[in-house]
Amino acid sequence: LAKTTQPISMDSYEGQEVNITCSHNNIATNDYITWYQQFPSQGPRFIIQGYKTKVTNEVASLFIPADRKSSTLSLPRVSLSDTAVYYCLVAGNTPLVFGKGTRLSVIA
Amino acid sequence: EAQVTQNPRYLITVTGKKLTVTCSQNMNHEYMSWYRQDPGLGLRQIYYSMNVEVTDKGDVPEGYKVSRKEKRNFPLILESPSPNQTSLYFCASSRWGDHEKLFFGSGTQLSVL
Repeated sequence: LAKTTQPISMDSYEGQEVNITCSHNNIATNDYITWYQQFPSQGPRFIIQGYKTKVTNEVASLFIPADRKSSTLSLPRVSLSDTAVYYCLVAGNTPLVFGKGTRLSVIA
Repeated sequence: EAQVTQNPRYLITVTGKKLTVTCSQNMNHEYMSWYRQDPGLGLRQIYYSMNVEVTDKGDVPEGYKVSRKEKRNFPLILESPSPNQTSLYFCASSRWGDHEKLFFGSGTQLSVL
């Protein structure tokens, strides 16, 4: 099972781009990289998923280098409503093991 | 509306009194799973099910049971709850073959006194 390591917390001002990096040195060939967002008192919500290179959707971008040993979630121009905990999940098979997450605080 | 429904939202009980937390999804998902979330420990998987009548242990299965008699339901059973099972519990579902894209319920906050 791929173990993930993320920063415990990050602060950012509104309007800035935020990059959260997740390390997963023992990622397996069939593992995908998935990111979730969790607001207080709610269940996590799927944000984005990728296997290699770059993936972009209406919420975020995900950058994965060629060796796939890390990944970076990029949130463009964050707002106060992006304050949440962000989880990186690396898995190809069950069971699924989440990391401890990164608490992002956006400041006005 | 596609959703995962957990009940109850809050539950306070006493040590040893059996309880069941229900989970139901309306997306015809094959994969369902339970997690507990504790401060500083993130999300840890308790049990998962790949389809009806198929269940398997996750990271922290001790003290819990599950059943999957129907595709839409996946109840979590605590036969004899203890205070160390006080936690926030989440149920989630997904399509098989895409099981990292989970849909989570709103959570059940359990307190065992």
